[in-house]
Amino acid sequence: GQNIDQPTEMTATEGAIVQINCTYQTSGFNGLFWYQQHAGEAPTFLSYNVLDGLEEKGRFSSFLSRSKGYSYLLLKELQMKDSASYLCAVRDTADKLIFGTGTRLQVFP
Amino acid sequence: DGGITQSPKYLFRKEGQNVTLSCEQNLNHDAMYWYRQDPGQGLRLIYYSQIVNDFQKGDIAEGYSVSREKKESFPLTVTSAQKNPTAFYLCASSNGDRGHQPQHFGDGTRLSIL
Repeated sequence: GQNIDQPTEMTATEGAIVQINCTYQTSGFNGLFWYQQHAGEAPTFLSYNVLDGLEEKGRFSSFLSRSKGYSYLLLKELQMKDSASYLCAVRDTADKLIFGTGTRLQVFP
Repeated sequence: DGGITQSPKYLFRKEGQNVTLSCEQNLNHDAMYWYRQDPGQGLRLIYYSQIVNDFQKGDIAEGYSVSREKKESFPLTVTSAQKNPTAFYLCASSNGDRGHQPQHFGDGTRLSIL
């Protein structure tokens, strides 16, 4: 079956670093995406990984290990506006995106 | 500006009524998608279309219908057969499901039952 697991909620302090983990078991793998979604709004694209390793984009980085079926999103220098849900999504061999339930991150001053 | 426009933002449905959610994109994307989002659950795929005049069922297509007569437009009809339609509906598009091309989302339509 298809399964993507993320923690439901996380909290962190402004200025800190937080790591959001995602594990997946899917019928094939054609890349992994991370999206940010503020409450009641559209998800916005953050990062894409298809090869093992770390992709860095400003304060956000994403890591992938295909052999372990594992990814994480690393957020540095947290700001209050980073309070949002973070969605992990895997593209399967049918080229469809399968989404996890999302991780709700709350950043406190 | 290029983007995806969903309308209306809020929609109310009466018992036995069909309602249609609009999705228009001016990104010149080939592929378009409809998702449903319920509290505490991930996005679930309802229907998708990779080219004009063609579409496929996603994981939860029952009670929904779509059409793709124009590249820019992918309306979703929630029929009376959908017994639990209250949800946040998101439309997305992409430049083909290849490589690193992400799906871009509209602002969503929140559907409720009267």
